[in-house]
Parts: sequence; structure tokens; C-alpha cells
Amino acid sequence: QQPVQSPQAVILREGEDAVINCSSSKALYSVHWYRQKHGEAPVFLMILLKGGEQKGHEKISASFNEKKQQSSLYLTASQLSYSGTYFCGTGERGTYKYIFGTGTRLKVLA
Amino acid sequence: DAGVIQSPRHEVTEMGQEVTLRCKPISGHNSLFWYRQTMMRGLELLIYFNNNVPIDDSGMPEDRFSAKMPNASFSTLKIQPSEPRDSAVYFCASSLLGGVDNQPQHFGDGTRLSIL
Repeated sequence: QQPVQSPQAVILREGEDAVINCSSSKALYSVHWYRQKHGEAPVFLMILLKGGEQKGHEKISASFNEKKQQSSLYLTASQLSYSGTYFCGTGERGTYKYIFGTGTRLKVLA
Repeated sequence: DAGVIQSPRHEVTEMGQEVTLRCKPISGHNSLFWYRQTMMRGLELLIYFNNNVPIDDSGMPEDRFSAKMPNASFSTLKIQPSEPRDSAVYFCASSLLGGVDNQPQHFGDGTRLSIL
């Protein structure tokens, strides 16, 4: 079952903040976040391991709530370069399956 | 350091033809992933190799699809015969062992495949 991301799309002005959520119907072992710009490959942002959170990139941070089977990505003081589609990804514990979320399209305007 | 290298970048071919996509992972990485991306289905994992051995191919859509990894520095994804619904962007990614949990995956630039 593919993790569901919300919102599906968001438009911001430069300097505004945004939150992207990733929810899974299965227990999350770890959560990865990637950003994909149009016509390019996904680029790794950060990994959150069970029980912790990890800041990885620019003014972007994330949290991981195991109980709620959710992860959230926080973009602070957004810049034009933050535009793109954000994906969460997770591996199923005990298997080697890896699944990307539904994606969130983010557009930052000047 | 060189990243993941995929070839060709673009492929246009007629239905029924054999298509071969190629991938060279980052040196030292021992996990390799093939993904397909479409607007309708998003990013789908097709197959995953650890140390050149296929571990999970449950995402391979049909017998028309096959993947090999003859050595640590090369993998191929073949479609034979190709169909228009196979049109998509195909990505290869590599990671250190553990890429499904605690290691980041590094993606190649992708192959944009169009089947006419």
C-alpha cells in the first residue's frame, strides 16, 4: 500500500513556510524524503530512523511519529529553489520492498 | 565522484521491438534498484539487487520485462516485446547495502522511453 502524502499540491510565496505529510497504513520502519525537479531525477534529502529525526538539508527538517505511522517535512522560509515534487519513501520491515509515496507538488513564487 | 550513469537518455522505438536500458551504479554501492515513473502510477520499484543478486522482482509488471546484473558495475533492464503502455521514465538507483531502510538511494538521470 502506497504511503499517502498531503497536500497533493501547494503554492507558496518566497519566505513562506510549508508542511508536507506522509501517512502509511503499515508500520513505518524508516522514512526517506526526496525532491524531484521537473525533468530530473529524485534527489535524496534525509532519512528518519525509527525513534528519531534527522535534519539533512538547507532549511528543511522532518519528524517521524511511529505511533501515528506518519512523517512530516517542514520547509522554512521557502526559496525559489525549493520548487519541485517531494516524495516520501519507506521500506517494509522484514522485506526488501521499497515504496514511494503519492508525491506533493510544491511551487514557490517570487 | 561519478554518479549513477544510465543510457540511453531517450529511446523511441516501435511496438514489438526489444528495448535494453543500461545502468552503471556508483562504485562501491552494492544495492541497485530499477524504477518506472508515470503520471498515473508515480514511482514504482520494479526490481532490487543486493550484491548482484535479484532480491525482490515482485514489481516487474510482466514476463516481457527482465533484468540482469552480471557484475557490480553494470545492470540491464530489457523489455521484449515492447508495448505502448511501457512508455515511461525508467530510473536506476544505487545505494550502500541497506538502501531500503537506513541508506539513501542515488538516482541516475533516467531513460525516457517512448513506444510508438
